Amino acid sequence: GEDVEQSLFLSVREGDSSVINCTYTDSSSTYLYWYKQEPGAGLQLLTYIFSNMDMKQDQRLTVLLNKKDKHLSLRIADTQTGDSAIYFCAEALNRDDKIIFGKGTRLHILP
Amino acid sequence: ETGVTQSPTHLIKTRGQQVTLRCSSQSGHNTVSWYQQALGQGPQFIFQYYREEENGRGNFPPRFSGLQFPNYSSELNVNALELDDSALYLCASSLKGLNTGELFFGEGSRLTVL
Repeated sequence: GEDVEQSLFLSVREGDSSVINCTYTDSSSTYLYWYKQEPGAGLQLLTYIFSNMDMKQDQRLTVLLNKKDKHLSLRIADTQTGDSAIYFCAEALNRDDKIIFGKGTRLHILP
Repeated sequence: ETGVTQSPTHLIKTRGQQVTLRCSSQSGHNTVSWYQQALGQGPQFIFQYYREEENGRGNFPPRFSGLQFPNYSSELNVNALELDDSALYLCASSLKGLNTGELFFGEGSRLTVL
């Protein structure tokens, strides 16, 4: 089946690293995405990784992909108050060109 | 700024009415997908248009329909509106389907059905 699971909430102290985890079920995924959504706004593409890669780094963001376990994570280094948002994990299915989203992880930054 | 623009940003309709939402894709992108995001949920795929034809559809009834124009802009039409259609409708543009990995969203149209 098609399902993307992620925890609903994460609280992190400002300056610490945030790690948001995601699992997916479909082994035919081509791309895996992380999107950020601030209140009342659309989805901002943060980063994406092709399914034959296992890591991608982009400034403060590090994506790790374990294809065997179908596990994706997003690490945000030196978390800032501006990182407070909902983060969506999503997988692109090659066979029918649609993207399946998780329900989102709300990241709360503690002072 | 993704270059994907949607209109209107907010609208209110009553049950049974019809609505048309519009999307202009990012320059150079030829594929438009529509998603419905209910409150507190992740976006759900409605359908995708490529070269003016529907190219994939999610689990939505036929009263959800769409169009893509030669300039790659797109419309989402919803007939016989129901209360549960209240949601944020997001348009995403990409190039040649999903093969490039780039998929950019607009800010969405928030529909309230009373």
